Amino acid sequence: EVQLLESGGGLVQPGGSLRLSCAASGFTFSSQPMSWVRQAPGKGLEWVSTISATGTKYADSVKGRCTISRDNSKNTLFLQMNSLTPEDTAVYFCATDQVAGTTRRYLEYWGQGTLVSVSS
Amino acid sequence: EIVLTQSPATLSLSPGERATLSCRASQSVSSNLAWYQQKPGQPPRLLIYDASNRATGIPARFSGSGSGTDFTLTIGSLEPEDFAVYYCLQRSNWPLTFGGGTKVEIK
Repeated sequence: EVQLLESGGGLVQPGGSLRLSCAASGFTFSSQPMSWVRQAPGKGLEWVSTISATGTKYADSVKGRCTISRDNSKNTLFLQMNSLTPEDTAVYFCATDQVAGTTRRYLEYWGQGTLVSVSS
Repeated sequence: EIVLTQSPATLSLSPGERATLSCRASQSVSSNLAWYQQKPGQPPRLLIYDASNRATGIPARFSGSGSGTDFTLTIGSLEPEDFAVYYCLQRSNWPLTFGGGTKVEIK
C-alpha cells in the first residue's frame, strides 16, 4: 500500500523558512517522479514543484524561494521554503507523479498534507 | 500558462441524478487532462486521467470525455459519497494548472 506522510509544517513569521518532508513507502521511491501541491484555506489546488529524472520544475509563485529535493536512501521528499509570505499559507501535499503501471504522468497518490501558516 | 475554467461553480443535485461537469482550457491540452475528487479534510483523489481513463478502483459511474479544449466529467447516477468538489488538471504544458473546481452539493 502506497503511503505518503508529510511533516515539517507549522507557524512561521514572514521572511522565515521551513523544510517540509514527505516520507514514502509501498512503492519504489527512487524511480518515481514526485510533486508538491498546495491549497490555501478554503481555496483551490495549486501545483508547486516537481522532481523527476529529467530535473526539477517550479511554479512562478515559488521560483527562487523554494527547492525540491529527495533522499532516495531514506525514501523521503523535501521542500525547502525560504522568504515565506502570508500568501504561502496553505496545506502542502506531496504526491506521486506517475500513474502506477503506466508511463502517464499524473498525480496519483497523495499524502494527507501538512499545514504551513505564515503570520506575525 | 494554460487556464482551466470549470463550470458550473456549484451543481445542486439529488442522489440518483446524473451530474455533468465541464472543464475548458485556454489552449489545446490534447488529452492531457485529469479529474480529481476532494472531500473536506481529505487530499484529492484521482478519478480520470488522459481525459477518459478511469484510475484504479474508480467506479464505472464516473466517466470522462473530450479533447483539445473542452472536457466533461459525468457521474452517471449520484451516490451519497459523490457529493464533493471536483477539479480538473492539465499537464500538457508547464506549469501544471488546476481548474477552480466544481462543488457538487445535495439539493
